[in-house]
Amino acid sequence: DAKTTQPNSMESNEEEPVHLPCNHSTISGTDYIHWYRQLPSQGPEYVIHGLTSNVNNRMASLAIAEDRKSSTLILHRATLRDAAVYYCILRDASGGNNNDMRFGAGTRLTVKP
Amino acid sequence: EAGVTQSPTHLIKTRGQQVTLRCSPISGHTSVYWYQQALGLGLQFLLWYDEGEERNRGNFPPRFSGRQFPNYSSELNVNALELEDSALYLCASSLVEGRPSNEKLFFGSGTQLSVL
Repeated sequence: DAKTTQPNSMESNEEEPVHLPCNHSTISGTDYIHWYRQLPSQGPEYVIHGLTSNVNNRMASLAIAEDRKSSTLILHRATLRDAAVYYCILRDASGGNNNDMRFGAGTRLTVKP
Repeated sequence: EAGVTQSPTHLIKTRGQQVTLRCSPISGHTSVYWYQQALGLGLQFLLWYDEGEERNRGNFPPRFSGRQFPNYSSELNVNALELEDSALYLCASSLVEGRPSNEKLFFGSGTQLSVL
């Protein structure tokens, strides 16, 4: 399985941009990059996903390196509500029974007022 | 539209007992995932069901088992409970539209299991 590496924790100031990195040096050509986040006392929620091109949605942006060995989740203006654990996950597009969704330890983001 | 619901929300058991946790997916979703999250740790993948079939299981002993019913709801059973089974058990559902890589998981709030 392709694995991801994320920093254990990061801090940000409120209303500033946050760049959350993820390394996935063994990514395969058919792996999509997914991001989820888990707010305190809640189940995880979907944030964004992409394959090769950068992606934007109302929650965040996903910047994918040209060689796809790393990606960055960008929160354009952090709010206190964005304090959460952020998970970067690879998922193979080819399907199959081994194609489940496996979470790592994630990055704990602290947002300071 | 109702989200993923799990029951019970909290449960206290003693070592050696058996427990059944329940999950109702979002209406129309056919896949259910189960995860274990011990205090302060990440999510550990337990089981994946799709269309009533077990698709894959994580690295857990056989005393962790489950099933998915024709209405796509699911149960997680844990036999011979051990202290280290104390954790938040999360269920997620999804609807695969097109390729699995585009699948989005929707999580419930979990069942907090304490084993004494």
